[in-house]
Amino acid sequence: AQSVTQPDIHITVSEGASLELRCNYSYGATPYLFWYVQSPGQGLQLLLKYFSGDTLVQGIKGFEAEFKRSQSSFNLRKPSVHWSDAAEYFCAVGAGDTGNQFYFGTGTSLTVIP
Amino acid sequence: GAVVSQHPSRVICKSGTSVKIECRSLDFQATTMFWYRQFPKQSLMLMATSNEGSKATYEQGVEKDKFLINHASLTLSTLTVTSAHPEDSSFYICSAQRGTFEDEQYFGPGTRLTVT
Repeated sequence: AQSVTQPDIHITVSEGASLELRCNYSYGATPYLFWYVQSPGQGLQLLLKYFSGDTLVQGIKGFEAEFKRSQSSFNLRKPSVHWSDAAEYFCAVGAGDTGNQFYFGTGTSLTVIP
Repeated sequence: GAVVSQHPSRVICKSGTSVKIECRSLDFQATTMFWYRQFPKQSLMLMATSNEGSKATYEQGVEKDKFLINHASLTLSTLTVTSAHPEDSSFYICSAQRGTFEDEQYFGPGTRLTVT
């Protein structure tokens, strides 16, 4: 069965520091992988996705993620965090026949301190 | 970008009553819509997948008779929680997708349901 693990429930970083959010997945086939951000009162917003090809994926807002099949990981990174990046971040794997049935991790809450 | 709305944003209902939540794609036609449930401080859990004009496909463990999903048009899906109980209190989120799996899923802002 497919599953997604985000080991870090909560992370605090200083503004301007680098960020890495971890995501590990379990899925029998080639996964479709996604990172979403959830801000209060707003719907989830897609940061980036991986279907195939280049394992380093660039997303919006300066985020990137790297797919590592050997480690079953899809970690999200940002070189310099902004205060506006404080939010809840979810990693998801797309499963099912068409890959559009999402299974989400438990999320990582990011706090940014000045 | 594409916009998905949900109505209402918050609803309080009494135990035993039914409540309907609407999910609309405002500026695109959604061939597929999804319903998720999110508990506090927890992940989103996929409840069901619905395609316009056909019956919804429910995830294992989701009671189809309790959570009625109707996808009557390409821009509207509804989730009806029937005979609601306090344990149904949760945050319900829908998403909509235009076409193939490579198309982005756009998420609504969610509906907070409280059953008293």
